[in-house]
Amino acid sequence: DAGVIQSPRHEVTEMGQEVTLRCKPISGHNSLFWYRQTMMRGLELLIYFNNNVPIDDSGMPEDRFSAKMPNASFSTLKIQPSEPRDSAVYFCASSPTGGGEKLFFGSGTQLSVL
Amino acid sequence: SQQGEEDPQALSIQEGENATMNCSYKTSINNLQWYRQNSGRGLVHLILIRSNEREKHSGRLRVTLDTSKKSSSLLITASRAADTASYFCATPLIKAAGNKLTFGGGTRVLVKP
Repeated sequence: DAGVIQSPRHEVTEMGQEVTLRCKPISGHNSLFWYRQTMMRGLELLIYFNNNVPIDDSGMPEDRFSAKMPNASFSTLKIQPSEPRDSAVYFCASSPTGGGEKLFFGSGTQLSVL
Repeated sequence: SQQGEEDPQALSIQEGENATMNCSYKTSINNLQWYRQNSGRGLVHLILIRSNEREKHSGRLRVTLDTSKKSSSLLITASRAADTASYFCATPLIKAAGNKLTFGGGTRVLVKP
């Protein structure tokens, strides 16, 4: 079992650039979650999908953030344009049970916006 | 705002000692979960306790749940250096279309050899 796969592992970019983070959930899982982790705000849920459909995006901080899940095996989180305050670790997680029980997390993408 | 809050924020113990951390939450739940995060890694699910359970064990982990006080505790017995990590409680907000799992701020545990 490969687990949840995120790429890239690290991303360093300049303010104003577009950033795309990628996630491959565990095969057969029907829910996918994007979280952001910072020292100041902890773990924040940005958006989650159920059966590829966005269910709740109330955690997306601004219109600069967008997420898609074109199929059951792939999701992207895009930031355009990026700002220094977007610097954080972004985690993707998937669940076989709609998210009410066990989540499986990827290793995260460390994003630094200079 | 976060549903769960852990206490203490940080904990330092000697190897072999027990570590106890607490979690308080605000609304009714049908389960509560604990996760571990090693430095630079993703979170790993440890244990889930349902609202009709009062205590659950998994190896050296013991979790209790008091729904009347809206609180839970995680006990790690006979700690090891490898238990050094951050520990988070999480509770799902149940919706018909899907469940929203929110995390507390975590307890950082340092186990000194």
